[in-house]
Amino acid sequence: DTGVSQDPRHKITKRGQNVTFRCDPISEHNRLYWYRQTLGQGPEFLTYFQNEAQLEKSRLLSDRFSAERPKGSFSTLEIQRTEQGDSAMYLCASGGGRTNTGELFFGEGSRLTVL
Amino acid sequence: GENVEQHPSTLSVQEGDSAVIKCTYSDSASNYFPWYKQELGKGPQLIIDIRSNVGEKKDQRIAVTLNKTAKHFSLHITETQPEDSAVYFCAAPSFGNEKLTFGTGTRLTIIP
Repeated sequence: DTGVSQDPRHKITKRGQNVTFRCDPISEHNRLYWYRQTLGQGPEFLTYFQNEAQLEKSRLLSDRFSAERPKGSFSTLEIQRTEQGDSAMYLCASGGGRTNTGELFFGEGSRLTVL
Repeated sequence: GENVEQHPSTLSVQEGDSAVIKCTYSDSASNYFPWYKQELGKGPQLIIDIRSNVGEKKDQRIAVTLNKTAKHFSLHITETQPEDSAVYFCAAPSFGNEKLTFGTGTRLTIIP
């Protein structure tokens, strides 16, 4: 399977705990995006990387959120001191590279439930 | 930044009939307009896109039209089938920006 993969698919945690999500993009893509999606809404941009450089972060992204893409391949999104409002689907997408068409390829998401 | 509005939020269509979903955008410099389909439990998947140098693009039963003057674009699905039932999102980029801003989605239900 050469698509975007995300892990874990589901995470249930208690308020105040830290959680980390991992995304493995399509290998030939140089851009990697994190989006958040709540019920009945469209994906909301959080941040994106070109290779290992984090080029933009949403103003909505609080200091409790941090993302890394250390070697320009996989990426992690960490949420510290989780709050109930963090409950959502966290989507990773990749795109760009030599065959760039503008299309974003999404993973199936990591669903977070904060109790 | 870009602001994308999408209508309607829900749409029910008899199987075999056509469905139309409309979006407006705010950034006149935007030049790429994709439509994504999201099935239950899955991530969004691109179904068709259009660039600003054309007014219409068609792929079998799916078409997208673009009116740059009015800053709106529409998705047209003809001869709808049960497998067309899903949530559809439009999106647009901001000029010089590599991220997409998505609409709020349209839940399309095809009635057999």
